[in-house]
Amino acid sequence: GAVVSQHPSRVICKSGTSVKIECRSLDFQATTMFWYRQFPKKSLMLMATSNEGSKATYEQGVEKDKFLINHASLTLSTLTVTSAHPEDSSFYICSAKGLAGGREQFFGPGTRLTVL
Amino acid sequence: GQQLNQSPQSMFIQEGEDVSMNCTSSSIFNTWLWYKQDPGEGPVLLIALYKAGELTSNGRLTAQFGITRKDSFLNISASIPSDVGIYFCAGNTGTASKLTFGTGTRLQVTL
Repeated sequence: GAVVSQHPSRVICKSGTSVKIECRSLDFQATTMFWYRQFPKKSLMLMATSNEGSKATYEQGVEKDKFLINHASLTLSTLTVTSAHPEDSSFYICSAKGLAGGREQFFGPGTRLTVL
Repeated sequence: GQQLNQSPQSMFIQEGEDVSMNCTSSSIFNTWLWYKQDPGEGPVLLIALYKAGELTSNGRLTAQFGITRKDSFLNISASIPSDVGIYFCAGNTGTASKLTFGTGTRLQVTL
């Protein structure tokens, strides 16, 4: 159990376009989902916390208008990178925390974004 | 944002050897977690620690939550080639679910 999927796994886009990444909890309901980005050979950095039905909470330095997060249901959160630029190229990983009050976060397989 | 310091940054060991890595912080954490990440994949939880002083094992892995609540270590016994990857510690202050990740330890295992 506790499987989290992400789609797409890889995406290449042109500079200036927007890209949407989906994060789904497949076998549990997630009240809270988290979005991280990871640069090559670096650690995971939390971008934002997404709660179902409410606005996301962004970490300091993360532009909320650039990284749009929607958590419309208990099994789906989306991250849209708007007007992407090459410096947005990164590995984006989501995690989900279950309804049952469990303390664990379950991570998705990540999405590799390359902006040309 | 805040990061946890992990050491060593990388290590090359021979198959069969034991491995030890640790994670330190200037802040107190209420939860310590250890993850393994393979290239191009998301992190996978190895061990979760919830109480200061707690020592927990998962197969060949053993981790401890430091008494000061500012550190944790992970040991891997009798390493095998599939242990190769990056190991991250992560901490949670308990006031929110947010995790702070360590800088990572890259493990290479030679035959």
